Amino acid sequence: EMQLVESGGGLVQPGGSLRLSCAASGFSFSRAWMHWVRQAPGKGLEWVSVIKSDGRDTSYADSVKGRFTVSRDNAKNTVYLQMNSLRVEDTAVYYCASDGVRVEFSAFDIWGQGAMVTVSS
Amino acid sequence: DVVMTQSPLSLPVTLGQAASFSCKSSQSLVHSDGNIYLHWFQQRPGQSPRRLIYKVSNRDSGVPDRFSGSGSDTDFTLNISRVEAEDVGIYYCAQCTHWPPYTFGQGTKLEIK
Repeated sequence: EMQLVESGGGLVQPGGSLRLSCAASGFSFSRAWMHWVRQAPGKGLEWVSVIKSDGRDTSYADSVKGRFTVSRDNAKNTVYLQMNSLRVEDTAVYYCASDGVRVEFSAFDIWGQGAMVTVSS
Repeated sequence: DVVMTQSPLSLPVTLGQAASFSCKSSQSLVHSDGNIYLHWFQQRPGQSPRRLIYKVSNRDSGVPDRFSGSGSDTDFTLNISRVEAEDVGIYYCAQCTHWPPYTFGQGTKLEIK
Protein backbone atom coordinates (compact mmCIF):
# COMPACT_ATOMS: atom_id res chain seq x y z
CA GLU A 1 0.00 0.00 0.00
CA MET A 2 1.31 3.43 -0.95
CA GLN A 3 1.43 5.56 2.18
CA LEU A 4 2.70 8.83 3.62
CA VAL A 5 2.89 9.39 7.38
CA GLU A 6 3.68 12.80 8.85
CA SER A 7 5.08 13.42 12.31
CA GLY A 8 6.60 16.23 14.35
CA GLY A 9 3.64 18.57 14.76
CA GLY A 10 2.87 20.34 18.01
CA LEU A 11 2.52 23.61 19.89
CA VAL A 12 5.26 26.22 19.50
CA GLN A 13 5.59 29.87 20.51
CA PRO A 14 5.80 32.63 17.91
CA GLY A 15 9.37 32.92 16.69
CA GLY A 16 10.06 29.29 17.46
CA SER A 17 11.03 26.36 15.24
CA LEU A 18 9.65 22.94 14.41
CA ARG A 19 10.64 20.16 12.02
CA LEU A 20 8.06 18.00 10.32
CA SER A 21 8.85 14.59 8.84
CA CYS A 22 6.96 12.59 6.25
CA ALA A 23 7.82 8.90 5.86
CA ALA A 24 6.91 7.21 2.60
CA SER A 25 6.28 3.54 1.90
CA GLY A 26 4.90 1.36 -0.86
CA PHE A 27 6.34 3.27 -3.82
CA SER A 28 9.63 4.37 -5.32
CA PHE A 29 10.23 7.43 -3.15
CA SER A 30 13.53 8.40 -4.75
CA ARG A 31 11.80 8.99 -8.07
CA ALA A 32 8.97 11.16 -6.75
CA TRP A 33 8.79 14.88 -6.24
CA MET A 34 7.33 15.71 -2.84
CA HIS A 35 5.13 18.62 -1.75
CA TRP A 36 4.00 20.20 1.49
CA VAL A 37 0.49 21.66 1.54
CA ARG A 38 -1.14 23.30 4.55
CA GLN A 39 -4.68 24.00 5.69
CA ALA A 40 -5.42 26.60 8.35
CA PRO A 41 -8.38 25.80 10.63
CA GLY A 42 -11.61 26.08 8.66
CA LYS A 43 -9.79 27.28 5.55
CA GLY A 44 -8.78 25.93 2.16
CA LEU A 45 -5.60 24.31 0.87
CA GLU A 46 -2.39 26.31 0.43
CA TRP A 47 0.68 24.94 -1.32
CA VAL A 48 3.85 25.47 0.72
CA SER A 49 6.83 23.83 -0.93
CA VAL A 50 8.10 21.23 -3.40
CA ILE A 51 11.35 19.29 -3.63
CA LYS A 52 12.40 17.39 -6.72
CA SER A 53 13.42 13.75 -6.63
CA ASP A 54 17.18 14.28 -6.24
CA GLY A 55 16.71 16.98 -3.61
CA ARG A 56 18.69 19.60 -5.52
CA ASP A 57 15.77 21.77 -6.61
CA THR A 58 13.21 23.29 -4.28
CA SER A 59 10.49 25.95 -4.47
CA TYR A 60 8.48 27.77 -1.86
CA ALA A 61 5.36 29.88 -1.47
CA ASP A 62 6.15 33.54 -0.87
CA SER A 63 4.46 33.28 2.54
CA VAL A 64 7.17 30.91 3.86
CA LYS A 65 10.20 31.77 1.72
CA GLY A 66 13.27 32.44 3.82
CA ARG A 67 11.71 30.81 6.91
CA PHE A 68 10.94 27.22 5.82
CA THR A 69 13.36 24.70 4.31
CA VAL A 70 12.39 21.45 2.63
CA SER A 71 14.83 18.55 2.38
CA ARG A 72 14.78 14.81 1.81
CA ASP A 73 16.71 11.66 2.61
CA ASN A 74 16.08 9.14 -0.13
CA ALA A 75 17.89 6.42 1.85
CA LYS A 76 15.29 6.83 4.60
CA ASN A 77 12.32 7.47 2.28
CA THR A 78 11.61 10.64 4.21
CA VAL A 79 10.98 14.29 3.40
CA TYR A 80 11.33 17.05 5.97
CA LEU A 81 10.04 20.57 6.48
CA GLN A 82 12.13 22.74 8.79
CA MET A 83 10.03 25.67 9.95
CA ASN A 84 11.78 28.63 11.59
CA SER A 85 10.58 32.04 12.75
CA LEU A 86 7.07 30.66 13.08
CA ARG A 87 4.14 33.04 13.11
CA VAL A 88 0.61 32.71 14.43
CA GLU A 89 -0.61 32.61 10.83
CA ASP A 90 1.44 29.44 10.20
CA THR A 91 -1.03 27.53 12.40
CA ALA A 92 -2.40 24.78 10.18
CA VAL A 93 -2.54 21.09 9.38
CA TYR A 94 0.49 20.33 7.25
CA TYR A 95 0.14 17.58 4.65
CA CYS A 96 2.86 15.99 2.60
CA ALA A 97 1.80 14.84 -0.85
CA SER A 98 3.59 12.99 -3.62
CA ASP A 99 3.93 13.94 -7.26
CA GLY A 100 4.13 11.55 -10.16
CA VAL A 101 3.75 8.30 -8.24
CA ARG A 102 0.51 7.06 -9.76
CA VAL A 103 0.81 8.99 -13.01
CA GLU A 104 3.85 10.79 -14.36
CA PHE A 105 3.77 14.58 -14.08
CA SER A 106 0.63 14.70 -11.96
CA ALA A 107 0.90 16.41 -8.63
CA PHE A 108 -0.69 15.61 -5.26
CA ASP A 109 -1.55 12.00 -6.06
CA ILE A 110 -0.99 10.55 -2.58
CA TRP A 111 -1.56 12.47 0.67
CA GLY A 112 -0.57 11.86 4.26
CA GLN A 113 -2.89 12.15 7.23
CA GLY A 114 -1.52 15.54 8.20
CA ALA A 115 0.36 17.02 11.17
CA MET A 116 -1.13 19.83 13.25
CA VAL A 117 1.12 22.81 13.94
CA THR A 118 -0.13 25.40 16.41
CA VAL A 119 1.77 28.64 16.87
CA SER A 120 0.61 30.43 19.98
CA SER A 121 1.94 32.10 23.10
CA ASP B 1 0.23 33.88 -9.75
CA VAL B 2 -2.68 32.00 -11.30
CA VAL B 3 -5.91 32.60 -9.39
CA MET B 4 -8.39 29.72 -9.28
CA THR B 5 -12.03 30.68 -8.70
CA GLN B 6 -14.58 28.02 -7.81
CA SER B 7 -18.36 28.33 -7.79
CA PRO B 8 -20.67 27.92 -6.11
CA LEU B 9 -19.09 27.96 -2.65
CA SER B 10 -21.94 25.79 -1.34
CA LEU B 11 -23.90 23.18 -3.28
CA PRO B 12 -26.96 21.52 -1.70
CA VAL B 13 -27.99 18.46 -3.70
CA THR B 14 -30.66 15.78 -3.29
CA LEU B 15 -29.41 12.20 -3.08
CA GLY B 16 -29.43 10.61 -6.53
CA GLN B 17 -29.38 13.95 -8.32
CA ALA B 18 -26.49 15.37 -10.33
CA ALA B 19 -23.97 17.93 -9.06
CA SER B 20 -21.74 20.27 -11.04
CA PHE B 21 -18.72 22.21 -9.78
CA SER B 22 -17.13 25.08 -11.69
CA CYS B 23 -13.47 26.12 -11.62
CA LYS B 24 -12.08 29.05 -13.59
CA SER B 25 -8.45 30.12 -13.89
CA SER B 26 -7.12 33.66 -14.35
CA GLN B 27 -5.03 32.53 -17.31
CA SER B 28 -4.89 29.64 -19.74
CA LEU B 29 -3.73 26.38 -18.15
CA VAL B 30 -2.38 24.92 -21.38
CA HIS B 31 1.25 24.00 -20.74
CA SER B 32 3.94 24.42 -23.40
CA ASP B 33 3.92 20.60 -23.69
CA GLY B 34 0.25 20.71 -24.72
CA ASN B 35 -1.10 19.22 -21.50
CA ILE B 36 -3.46 20.93 -19.06
CA TYR B 37 -2.40 20.29 -15.47
CA LEU B 38 -5.75 20.86 -13.78
CA HIS B 39 -6.71 18.40 -11.03
CA TRP B 40 -9.73 17.89 -8.76
CA PHE B 41 -9.69 16.81 -5.12
CA GLN B 42 -12.27 15.65 -2.60
CA GLN B 43 -11.92 16.29 1.13
CA ARG B 44 -14.46 14.45 3.25
CA PRO B 45 -15.14 15.81 6.75
CA GLY B 46 -12.19 15.12 9.05
CA GLN B 47 -10.12 13.49 6.32
CA SER B 48 -7.12 14.34 4.17
CA PRO B 49 -7.71 15.47 0.60
CA ARG B 50 -7.86 12.77 -2.07
CA ARG B 51 -7.29 13.32 -5.76
CA LEU B 52 -10.22 12.33 -7.97
CA ILE B 53 -9.35 13.65 -11.41
CA TYR B 54 -5.99 14.53 -12.98
CA LYS B 55 -5.26 16.51 -16.13
CA VAL B 56 -8.86 17.70 -16.56
CA SER B 57 -10.65 14.44 -17.26
CA ASN B 58 -8.70 11.37 -16.09
CA ARG B 59 -10.13 9.50 -13.11
CA ASP B 60 -7.69 8.28 -10.49
CA SER B 61 -7.63 4.60 -9.60
CA GLY B 62 -10.60 3.59 -7.43
CA VAL B 63 -12.69 6.68 -8.20
CA PRO B 64 -16.28 5.79 -9.11
CA ASP B 65 -17.28 6.45 -12.69
CA ARG B 66 -20.07 8.78 -11.55
CA PHE B 67 -17.28 11.38 -11.24
CA SER B 68 -16.18 13.07 -14.47
CA GLY B 69 -14.15 16.10 -15.39
CA SER B 70 -14.16 18.32 -18.45
CA GLY B 71 -13.02 21.70 -19.68
CA SER B 72 -10.33 23.57 -21.53
CA ASP B 73 -8.18 26.68 -21.43
CA THR B 74 -9.56 28.56 -18.39
CA ASP B 75 -12.91 26.92 -17.70
CA PHE B 76 -13.29 23.53 -16.02
CA THR B 77 -16.10 21.42 -14.55
CA LEU B 78 -16.37 18.45 -12.21
CA ASN B 79 -19.61 16.51 -12.45
CA ILE B 80 -21.14 13.87 -10.22
CA SER B 81 -23.88 12.05 -12.12
CA ARG B 82 -25.79 10.72 -9.09
CA VAL B 83 -24.80 12.04 -5.67
CA GLU B 84 -24.40 9.53 -2.85
CA ALA B 85 -24.15 10.23 0.88
CA GLU B 86 -20.41 9.44 0.88
CA ASP B 87 -19.80 12.31 -1.57
CA VAL B 88 -20.40 14.96 1.12
CA GLY B 89 -17.34 17.14 1.57
CA ILE B 90 -15.38 19.98 0.00
CA TYR B 91 -14.16 19.80 -3.59
CA TYR B 92 -11.06 21.70 -4.71
CA CYS B 93 -9.50 22.29 -8.09
CA ALA B 94 -5.78 23.00 -8.44
CA GLN B 95 -3.58 24.16 -11.28
CA CYS B 96 -0.10 22.69 -11.68
CA THR B 97 0.75 24.23 -15.05
CA HIS B 98 2.25 27.56 -13.97
CA TRP B 99 4.34 27.08 -10.85
CA PRO B 100 5.57 28.17 -8.46
CA PRO B 101 3.23 28.59 -6.84
CA TYR B 102 0.82 25.71 -7.35
CA THR B 103 -2.61 27.19 -6.62
CA PHE B 104 -5.89 25.81 -5.35
CA GLY B 105 -9.41 27.13 -5.65
CA GLN B 106 -11.21 28.10 -2.47
CA GLY B 107 -13.36 24.98 -2.55
CA THR B 108 -17.03 24.08 -3.03
CA LYS B 109 -18.87 22.44 -0.16
CA LEU B 110 -21.25 19.68 -1.22
CA GLU B 111 -24.07 18.95 1.20
CA ILE B 112 -27.19 16.84 1.04
CA LYS B 113 -30.56 18.64 1.02
